[in-house]
Amino acid sequence: QSVLTQPPSVSGAPGQRVTISCTGSSSNIGAGFDVHWYQQLPGTAPKLLIYINDRRPSGVPDRFSGSKSGTSASLAITGLQADDEADYYCQSYDTTLSGYVFGTGTKVNV
Amino acid sequence: EVQLVESGGGLIQPGGSLRLSCAASGFTVNSSYMAWVRRAPGKGLEWVSFIYSNGKTFYAAAVKGRFTISRDNSKNTLYLQMNSLSAEDTAIYYCARDRRCSGDNCYTPWFDPWGQGTQVTVSS
Repeated sequence: QSVLTQPPSVSGAPGQRVTISCTGSSSNIGAGFDVHWYQQLPGTAPKLLIYINDRRPSGVPDRFSGSKSGTSASLAITGLQADDEADYYCQSYDTTLSGYVFGTGTKVNV
Repeated sequence: EVQLVESGGGLIQPGGSLRLSCAASGFTVNSSYMAWVRRAPGKGLEWVSFIYSNGKTFYAAAVKGRFTISRDNSKNTLYLQMNSLSAEDTAIYYCARDRRCSGDNCYTPWFDPWGQGTQVTVSS
């Protein structure tokens, strides 16, 4: 079971903006743990997209941005493109489970 | 270039054992934090295990007592020994480098890079 909840899917037309929420609790995001985001294209390994809440690794376009507030975090994708179609996961740490936790995952449809 | 390449997956009967390997290049495994993460069919990512640079190990509740993470410094390779396998362990298994510091500060760990994954199927 995952303690970080994401919407199963979000959809948008090319060029539009979509956001993905990641809702946690006081034992993970709300406890001050950072949130990271991964993109998993079909048939490939996950790739780091956002780390430490809002930082982009080298090579990730600035169309992707992250934020965190309270017990939740969000990933925004602007200027949606066809090759953004993928599964997206948030990740943090949970004190109750004493381990890393991933979100339930969100499928982005373009 | 930092790279991870997994191997060792396959079809195994329930109750069987399998050892996964993750060969690293571009960095040294024994001075890094390393992790295994899996994705079962139709499900999301699930953390399985990680190992500190000092050798301390941690496991998810679902695999504790059945899986063992280890490394071979001479081969710069990470391993996951999986015993008493069941259908619920069927998944693609990924190894990843556990990162936790940026500059002079350290944060909640994240995973980068990831290997390409190796498929484990538990079925009779």
